[in-house]
Amino acid sequence: GEDVEQSLFLSVREGDSSVINCTYTDSSSTYLYWYKQEPGAGLQLLTYIFSNMDMKQDQRLTVLLNKKDKHLSLRIADTQTGDSAIYFCAESDYSSASKIIFGSGTRLSIRP
Amino acid sequence: DTAVSQTPKYLVTQMGNDKSIKCEQNLGHDTMYWYKQDSKKFLKIMFSYNNKELIINETVPNRFSPKSPDKAHLNLHINSLELGDSAVYFCASSPPDSEAFFGQGTRLTVV
Repeated sequence: GEDVEQSLFLSVREGDSSVINCTYTDSSSTYLYWYKQEPGAGLQLLTYIFSNMDMKQDQRLTVLLNKKDKHLSLRIADTQTGDSAIYFCAESDYSSASKIIFGSGTRLSIRP
Repeated sequence: DTAVSQTPKYLVTQMGNDKSIKCEQNLGHDTMYWYKQDSKKFLKIMFSYNNKELIINETVPNRFSPKSPDKAHLNLHINSLELGDSAVYFCASSPPDSEAFFGQGTRLTVV
């Protein structure tokens, strides 16, 4: 079945770049997403990328997709304390766009 | 102004009780979902409804019954609550072939 994997924790220094990685198994994935979950809050869509793209940049966020290796990454430039959260990678395929598969989430913590 | 709203935000109840969580979206989306986030933060889809019709039902116990009175609402009713049902439940909605918008979550604690 489909699977999405992420490392559970990442700690970075304030001002550095954070890179959160994700791998997925479904080769028919059409959409790949990054969601952010802050304590006590719902899931906020940060960005998404179509599978026919390699890269997408949005202000401090850069998403890289290696479709051959089924690897997705989220880079946050100039990481701030407000970026502390859990980041979920997710994927869905065109044939079943109603079903989104999530990774376990990566907890990003920022140290001074 | 809230796009996807769930009530209640917190729910503490005893084992064996029956409870409901309500979800409403004002985005005009056709598809709505319920996700369960367990203590390890894993997010798993439970149900998906498209225009009030059940599309996805992922190996969820029969004690869980979604109800969609109209396209803008998808409520989750849980019978005979068990300790293992304690989790955060997220409602979401999406237009066709597009990203999902999530509610704030309902933290259910069964004691």
